Amino acid sequence: AQSVTQLDSHVSVSEGTPVLLRCNYSSSYSPSLFWYVQHPNKGLQLLLKYTSAATLVKGINGFEAEFKKSETSFHLTKPSAHMSDAAEYFCVVTTMDSSYKLIFGSGTRLLVRP
Amino acid sequence: DGGITQSPKYLFRKEGQNVTLSCEQNLNHDAMYWYRQDPGQGLRLIYYSQIVNDFQKGDIAEGYSVSREKKESFPLTVTSAQKNPTAFYLCASSETGYNEQFFGPGTRLTVL
Repeated sequence: AQSVTQLDSHVSVSEGTPVLLRCNYSSSYSPSLFWYVQHPNKGLQLLLKYTSAATLVKGINGFEAEFKKSETSFHLTKPSAHMSDAAEYFCVVTTMDSSYKLIFGSGTRLLVRP
Repeated sequence: DGGITQSPKYLFRKEGQNVTLSCEQNLNHDAMYWYRQDPGQGLRLIYYSQIVNDFQKGDIAEGYSVSREKKESFPLTVTSAQKNPTAFYLCASSETGYNEQFFGPGTRLTVL
């Protein structure tokens, strides 16, 4: 069965410093993986997706993630945090059965200090 | 302007009442989904539909009902049987299964 674990419930960084949000997945198949961002009282916005093409995936707003099969990881990074990056981030994996469900991690809240 | 719309943004319900949340998409997507989000938690799947006139229960379907009479519309009814309906409800759509899902802005339901 597929599952996803976000290793940190909260991450706090200073503006202008790098961001690292960690995600490990479990899947019997080659999964599709996504990162979504949610600002308070808003819907989720797709940041980036991995679908078995390039292992380094570039997304919107300067975010990128690297798929590492040997480590079953899909960590999200950004070289320099901006105040507007403060939000909740979800790592997501697809099921590979006929239900087509997404499996969401529990989320990581990113705090950006001025 | 393509996207997913949900209405209303805020909804208040008295105990014992049924309420219907609207979800419309103009992306020509086949699949649509309803999720519930509680404070500090991730998303839980209520119902999903891969095609018109067909839908399946998700992980927490009890106390909810849906219909999919049109491709672009997937309304969710929260019935009086749902014991704790106060939550943030998100609708999503995808081109087909296995594709990324696009989310609407959400409806915050509060039971008074």
